[in-house]
Amino acid sequence: DQQVKQNSPSLSVQEGRISILNCDYTNSMFDYFLWYKKYPAEGPTFLISISSIKDKNEDGRFTVFLNKSAKHLSLHIVPSQPGDSAVYFCAAIFGDNNNDMRFGAGTRLTVKP
Amino acid sequence: DTGVSQNPRHKITKRGQNVTFRCDPISEHNRLYWYRQTLGQGPEFLTYFQNEAQLEKSRLLSDRFSAERPKGSFSTLEIQRTEQGDSAMYLCASRSVGGSYEQYFGPGTRLTVT
Repeated sequence: DQQVKQNSPSLSVQEGRISILNCDYTNSMFDYFLWYKKYPAEGPTFLISISSIKDKNEDGRFTVFLNKSAKHLSLHIVPSQPGDSAVYFCAAIFGDNNNDMRFGAGTRLTVKP
Repeated sequence: DTGVSQNPRHKITKRGQNVTFRCDPISEHNRLYWYRQTLGQGPEFLTYFQNEAQLEKSRLLSDRFSAERPKGSFSTLEIQRTEQGDSAMYLCASRSVGGSYEQYFGPGTRLTVT
């Protein structure tokens, strides 16, 4: 069962513009969400996270927005840079255990110079 | 560099052979996780350890798979009688209990079963 979905397999933006990556989830019991970035031949690298009690978290050029009623979160990258080109995974963790993470299928972001 | 390391990085094996992968987590992390990632998909949880105890296993972890973390430090994942469907990237991650929720991933071991 695909509880975390990233419906856009790819996204291409121009350098300096905003990148918006989207993620939807189906299970309202998730209480923590994370974004990971993955370059080829490397493992996923943690980028930014948000607790379900918040609706926004910002870290430099990266902002994550959470809309619990819509079961939707998004990652905004402003301004986008060519070095941001990678696969971005959305992930979610259940309540008390916070053990296994459920990942989306990923979105490949390409930032063109 | 004191990140998560995995060995080997690549493994090619023939169907029916056994393979073993190793993961060395970040030293102060007491939780260690194994994931599998296939092409076009995100990582899928397989199992996790807290110290040396294996506390949870996914239904994806068939009886041909076994994982150990004998001294609560490094971990091994063994696949017996490999099948072509086992071809995937096997990722290891670690985190510390009581710390932040993010897990830190190693570079993965890419398994190809021919």
